[in-house]
Amino acid sequence: GAVVSQHPSWVICKSGTSVKIECRSLDFQATTMFWYRQFPKQSLMLMATSNEGSKATYEQGVEKDKFLINHASLTLSTLTVTSAHPEDSSFYICSARDIEREYNEQFFGPGTRLTVL
Amino acid sequence: GQNIDQPTEMTATEGAIVQINCTYQTSGFNGLFWYQQHAGEAPTFLSYNVLDGLEEKGRFSSFLSRSKGYSYLLLKELQMKDSASYLCAVMDSNYQLIWGAGTKLIIKP
Repeated sequence: GAVVSQHPSWVICKSGTSVKIECRSLDFQATTMFWYRQFPKQSLMLMATSNEGSKATYEQGVEKDKFLINHASLTLSTLTVTSAHPEDSSFYICSARDIEREYNEQFFGPGTRLTVL
Repeated sequence: GQNIDQPTEMTATEGAIVQINCTYQTSGFNGLFWYQQHAGEAPTFLSYNVLDGLEEKGRFSSFLSRSKGYSYLLLKELQMKDSASYLCAVMDSNYQLIWGAGTKLIIKP
């Protein structure tokens, strides 16, 4: 149990275009999902916390107008990178918290590798 | 501020034992997690400690001392597939995970 999927696995796009990444909890309901970014050889950086039915909470320094997050249901959150630029190229990972679990651990999706040309 | 410290890189030999340390300073404490992350992949959950002491799970054990702000992950009978980064993360008073930079473990034959 506790499987999180992400789509797409990788995407290459031109500078200035928008890219949407989907995160789904497949076998549990996730009232809270998290979006991370990870640059090569660096640790995970939390971008935002997404709560179902409400606005996402963004970390300091993350532009909410550039990284649009929608958590419309208990099993789906989306991250849209608007007007992507080469510096947005990174590994984007989502995670979901299963509130039914004892430990509140986060289960991670497989990640999306974004390359902006 | 909040801070998680762990060594950047460690090297060990196949079949041996290795201990990866993690020290933390956070606003509140609701548990400490260890995750394993292979290159190019997302992290996978290894262990959770919220009370002092040792939690054993197969070849992996995790220890916590809340008074010292200290944890370690102990890996026994190392296998080549254990080569990965190991991430220490603390859940603070807001149930937010604060992540360490990770320890890259290199296993040599």
